[in-house]
Amino acid sequence: GEDVEQSLFLSVREGDSSVINCTYTDSSSTYLYWYKQEPGAGLQLLTYIFSNMDMKQDQRLTVLLNKKDKHLSLRIADTQTGDSAIYFCAEREGGSYIPTFGRGTSLIVHP
Amino acid sequence: DARVTQTPRHKVTEMGQEVTMRCQPILGHNTVFWYRQTMMQGLELLAYFRNRAPLDDSGMPKDRFSAEMPDATLATLKIQPSEPRDSAVYFCASAPDSRNEQFFGPGTRLTVL
Repeated sequence: GEDVEQSLFLSVREGDSSVINCTYTDSSSTYLYWYKQEPGAGLQLLTYIFSNMDMKQDQRLTVLLNKKDKHLSLRIADTQTGDSAIYFCAEREGGSYIPTFGRGTSLIVHP
Repeated sequence: DARVTQTPRHKVTEMGQEVTMRCQPILGHNTVFWYRQTMMQGLELLAYFRNRAPLDDSGMPKDRFSAEMPDATLATLKIQPSEPRDSAVYFCASAPDSRNEQFFGPGTRLTVL
């Protein structure tokens, strides 16, 4: 079955760039998502990318997709303490209603 | 400001009691999902509905869990009887159609003693 893997933790210094990585196994993935979960809240969509794209940029966020290696990354430039949260990678086939989520990466931003 | 709402936000109960969690999807969204989040298992899909009809509840323990949508503005998830292993955060999410991103509610944190 489909599988999405992420490292569990990432610690960065405020002002540095953060790079959160994700690998997936389903070659039929059409949509790839990054969600953010702040403490005590639900998941919130940050950005998504179609599988026919290599890169998407949105302000401080850059998503890179290597479809050959089934590798997705989220880069946060100038990381702030407010970026501390859990970041979930998810993928979905074009014909499916249900995304598959990774376990989430806890981003810790310290001064 | 359209949001998914869930009640209650927190619930503490004793083993064996019935628990009912409620969700109000965003008006106009026709797909509703129930997830459970734990440290050990991460985010698990329990069930989802499209146009109020259950399409997949294979992730849900059938003997004690049930999910329904009495109308388009209300989804419920019931556990009867509850067990300590059901302690988790339960999220509801809705989507305008099944192929778009999901909008999550704030969750119900359930503790079963």
